[in-house]
Amino acid sequence: RKEVEQDPGPFNVPEGATVAFNCTYSNSASQSFFWYRQDCRKEPKLLMSVYSSGNEDGRFTAQLNRASQYISLLIRDSKLSDSATYLCVVSLFPSNTGKLIFGQGTTLQVKP
Amino acid sequence: DAGVTQSPTHLIKTRGQQVTLRCSPKSGHDTVSWYQQALGQGPQFIFQYYEEEERQRGNFPDRFSGHQFPNYSSELNVNALLLGDSALYLCASSLLSTSTDTQYFGPGTRLTVL
Repeated sequence: RKEVEQDPGPFNVPEGATVAFNCTYSNSASQSFFWYRQDCRKEPKLLMSVYSSGNEDGRFTAQLNRASQYISLLIRDSKLSDSATYLCVVSLFPSNTGKLIFGQGTTLQVKP
Repeated sequence: DAGVTQSPTHLIKTRGQQVTLRCSPKSGHDTVSWYQQALGQGPQFIFQYYEEEERQRGNFPDRFSGHQFPNYSSELNVNALLLGDSALYLCASSLLSTSTDTQYFGPGTRLTVL
């Protein structure tokens, strides 16, 4: 079983749509959780950290359910520029400076 | 303020050869991690270096080795290359002494093994 599992997609949505990505993680000792964005043939970049209380950054909302070991990302009012691969990431450390465990990534394509 | 830099950007090798990839961390960072990203997959942790020592290691064979220099830059060495080693190799740097900092990735080195 993979440590972090994501639906690879692709998710094809029209501009303005709301889209949700989910992932599950297997290690209950995981301490920190993140969503990264990766554009084609580029390096991953931190999109946002994920907290148990849920957190929002503009059009992006992330949720963590520790009991179910489940992480989600909601993107509202999708833009063409949101087209990318979204990587679900967990760490056994309290920040993202230690070993990061990545999911396979979910590909989003926003169409005009 | 220079970010994480890696060299070379692309590399083509043949099976059995050895390769060395280089990484310079972001200014002020003291820790370097290496990841391997195969096509269509997420990055996989290879190892992390701090104070010139390997601090953590992922599930990679001994063919993968590394080094960190006093100026915090790092090298990743892969011996006896296999076709399956073809991937994007990412370096990430961070400052270990503060848990509030984040880890920044370099642009990667794309290795092709023929």
